[in-house]
Amino acid sequence: NAGVMQNPRHLVRRRGQEARLRCSPMKGHSHVYWYRQLPEEGLKFMVYLQKENIIDESGMPKERFSAEFPKEGPSILRIQQVVRGDSAAYFCASSPPGGPTQYFGPGTRLLVL
Amino acid sequence: QKEVEQNSGPLSVPEGAIASLNCTYSDRGSQSFFWYRQYSGKSPELIMFIYSNGDKEDGRFTAQLNKASQYVSLLIRDSQPSDSATYLCAVNDPGGYQKVTFGTGTKLQVIP
Repeated sequence: NAGVMQNPRHLVRRRGQEARLRCSPMKGHSHVYWYRQLPEEGLKFMVYLQKENIIDESGMPKERFSAEFPKEGPSILRIQQVVRGDSAAYFCASSPPGGPTQYFGPGTRLLVL
Repeated sequence: QKEVEQNSGPLSVPEGAIASLNCTYSDRGSQSFFWYRQYSGKSPELIMFIYSNGDKEDGRFTAQLNKASQYVSLLIRDSQPSDSATYLCAVNDPGGYQKVTFGTGTKLQVIP
């Protein structure tokens, strides 16, 4: 049973470009969460999604960031017009319908030059 | 604002000793509590969860929960250098959704 999958594992972008991060949850999981982690800092919640619905986006910056979890395909975290401050590890986690236990993917390390 | 608090450490223990990691939370309605381990440069890995007051043991790990004191802890017996990592406490938000709030983590160093 494959775990949570994220790609790409590493992403390099120049300032002003767009970054698209993808997350495929574990089989049978219908809830996806995105977190950001700066070096030597804790996990910061960004957004919580179910299929076709954003449940909680209280941690998302108001501009340039968006997330979706379509009926088919992976969840996407999109960062438009990236800036150097967006450089971080972005983790996706998923949980089953019946409870809050979250399992994490390997993360995407974003570097903005 | 829901809060989960942990001492950032580092907590240094000698190899073979018991490491005790502590976490307090603010929302009395929370029912589910989790411990994750995160090695440097890696993603968090679930190691324990606990729902009921008391102790839960899994190998060298014991999670302890005291809902009256809003306190959850993780004990690691016979600590090994490979246990050196950051340990994250997570607590569910009881608002009806499946969201959890993470603490900032405690860095554990096991000295050989």
